[in-house]
Amino acid sequence: RKEVEQDPGPFNVPEGATVAFNCTYSNSASQSFFWYRQDCRKEPKLLMSVYSSGNEDGRFTAQLNRASQYISLLIRDSKLSDSATYLCVVNSRSGDKVIFGPGTSLSVIP
Amino acid sequence: NAGVTQTPKFRVLKTGQSMTLLCAQDMNHEYMYWYRQDPGMGLRLIHYSVGEGTTAKGEVPDGYNVSRLKKQNFLLGLESAAPSQTSVYFCASRDSNQPQHFGDGTRLSIL
Repeated sequence: RKEVEQDPGPFNVPEGATVAFNCTYSNSASQSFFWYRQDCRKEPKLLMSVYSSGNEDGRFTAQLNRASQYISLLIRDSKLSDSATYLCVVNSRSGDKVIFGPGTSLSVIP
Repeated sequence: NAGVTQTPKFRVLKTGQSMTLLCAQDMNHEYMYWYRQDPGMGLRLIHYSVGEGTTAKGEVPDGYNVSRLKKQNFLLGLESAAPSQTSVYFCASRDSNQPQHFGDGTRLSIL
């Protein structure tokens, strides 16, 4: 089993739609959690950190469920500019390991 | 604030040549990482460092060497380049439990 798994995708959604991405991690000792986006042939960029209490940044909402070892990202009112690959990232408790999920591709269609 | 800077941005090598990729960060981060990403694939960790003077192997270390003589710099070396090392190389840095910050990549082609 991979340490971090994500929905395989791709997701093709119309503008204005709400889309949710799921991510699971296998190491219960994992320490911190993030969502990144990566545009084609560009570097990954931090979208948001994920906290147990849940957090929101504009149209984006992230949730963490430590008991189920599950992370989610919700995007409301999708824009064309949201088209990218979304990466779930987990930092180990030991501090040195950073585990990237395989990514989920999103295409927002006019 | 430059963040993470990678040089060069593009390079074409011939098989067997050597080169060094430089990653510099100005955020005083302890941890630094080198990844490669092939078309349509995810990031794969080559080597990483948890502090000045330390290095460790990642998922795909063969054919690469690294050095971290100064805290702000992490060098990735290819001693004898092979076509299979054609890729986009990303460097990243972070502090403990914080997110990684990435450079904008080095596109390397080996003929």
